[in-house]
Amino acid sequence: GAVVSQHPSWVICKSGTSVKIECRSLDFQATTMFWYRQFPKQSLMLMATSNEGSKATYEQGVEKDKFLINHASLTLSTLTVTSAHPEDSSFYICSRTSGSRNEQFFGPGTRLTVL
Amino acid sequence: AQTVTQSQPEMSVQEAETVTLSCTYDTSESNYYLFWYKQPPSRQMILVIRQEAYKQQNATENRFSVNFQKAAKSFSLKISDSQLGDTAMYFCAFMNTTSGTYKYIFGTGTRLKVLA
Repeated sequence: GAVVSQHPSWVICKSGTSVKIECRSLDFQATTMFWYRQFPKQSLMLMATSNEGSKATYEQGVEKDKFLINHASLTLSTLTVTSAHPEDSSFYICSRTSGSRNEQFFGPGTRLTVL
Repeated sequence: AQTVTQSQPEMSVQEAETVTLSCTYDTSESNYYLFWYKQPPSRQMILVIRQEAYKQQNATENRFSVNFQKAAKSFSLKISDSQLGDTAMYFCAFMNTTSGTYKYIFGTGTRLKVLA
């Protein structure tokens, strides 16, 4: 069964509003989770590494003030897209490492559409 | 910096035939993992196969096998007896274990279509 869930699976919002996406580790206490962004017909691009109890580590070129990541518990990481614009429309995927840290398990993704 | 290259944007194969997807990577590290992931239309990422760099033996999972050439930094995926359900995007991924970050670097993907 699924080991990582995301909510919502699809969200539509108006330009200028903020949207929060949740990523839950269902069967494991995840100290590290990852957030990816995937544009249509493109690959997954890592946005940030979410660390439980500390600040997220953002990849180069990702605006940390626009994409707020909170990892307040061992089973939940959230990504908030602040002041969303149409160019933020994308598919957002989270993942967590396995216990042995030799692979990642992915959530089903969240489709964000900003009007 | 590590890079992953998939040079075949699209491929097609007849049902029951065999197809090979290419992946090359660049790294100066000696300890790492390589992966092939399948992303069907649902967009759920599904692990197909994993290879540990320190293992010389090529990984196999049922109809899926890899040709891991460490010196050449090549990691191709062979799908035997292709099935219609194999139609998907396939991504090659690299994970450096030395850095302790456990981050993935993905290739650009190969869209595979299995034809009936």
